[in-house]
Amino acid sequence: DAGVTQSPTHLIKTRGQQVTLRCSPKSGHDTVSWYQQALGQGPQFIFQYYEEEERQRGNFPDRFSGHQFPNYSSELNVNALLLGDSALYLCASSYTGGNTIYFGEGSWLTVV
Amino acid sequence: DAKTTQPTSMDCAEGRAANLPCNHSTISGNEYVYWYRQIHSQGPQYIIHGLKNNETNEMASLIITEDRKSSTLILPHATLRDTAVYYCIVRAAGGGADGLTFGKGTHLIIQP
Repeated sequence: DAGVTQSPTHLIKTRGQQVTLRCSPKSGHDTVSWYQQALGQGPQFIFQYYEEEERQRGNFPDRFSGHQFPNYSSELNVNALLLGDSALYLCASSYTGGNTIYFGEGSWLTVV
Repeated sequence: DAKTTQPTSMDCAEGRAANLPCNHSTISGNEYVYWYRQIHSQGPQYIIHGLKNNETNEMASLIITEDRKSSTLILPHATLRDTAVYYCIVRAAGGGADGLTFGKGTHLIIQP
């Protein structure tokens, strides 16, 4: 049973560019959340997707957007990249109403 | 803000039990206590969760005080691979759309 998978694992972008990160949830899970983790900090909640809609958003600007597909996989898009967007981006999945959330290994984004 | 308080760091000798405390004095009746750990540069790993009864699984035991204002995660026989940041998190049953709120966690160092 594959867990939460994310791609790419590492990438480097230039300030002002746009990036798309991808996530496949654990088998049987229908809810996907995204987190940003800056170096030395705990993960910060960006938003959650369920039934292809954004259900809840943390304190992140509109430059951060997402999408969920009918197969429950998800994408995180970040526009107009800033140096401060350099971080580990984590995807987490769960079954709606369930109590356990599982994380992927993350995508390391470096903005130069 | 995180609703939990944890020591910044702890040491434990290899082979001994590691006991990680967490205070959650404002926990609500429907909130679970979750523990995750994060080994350097990897995604957070789910360890265990509980409501009011003590819980045990293959990784750890969770002891929750009767008033539910604090808990202790116990790793019975710590190994070097248990060196990680351990996060204690409180979250409502079923979770809803809210993401996990991570604090700074406890950096557990297992000494050989």
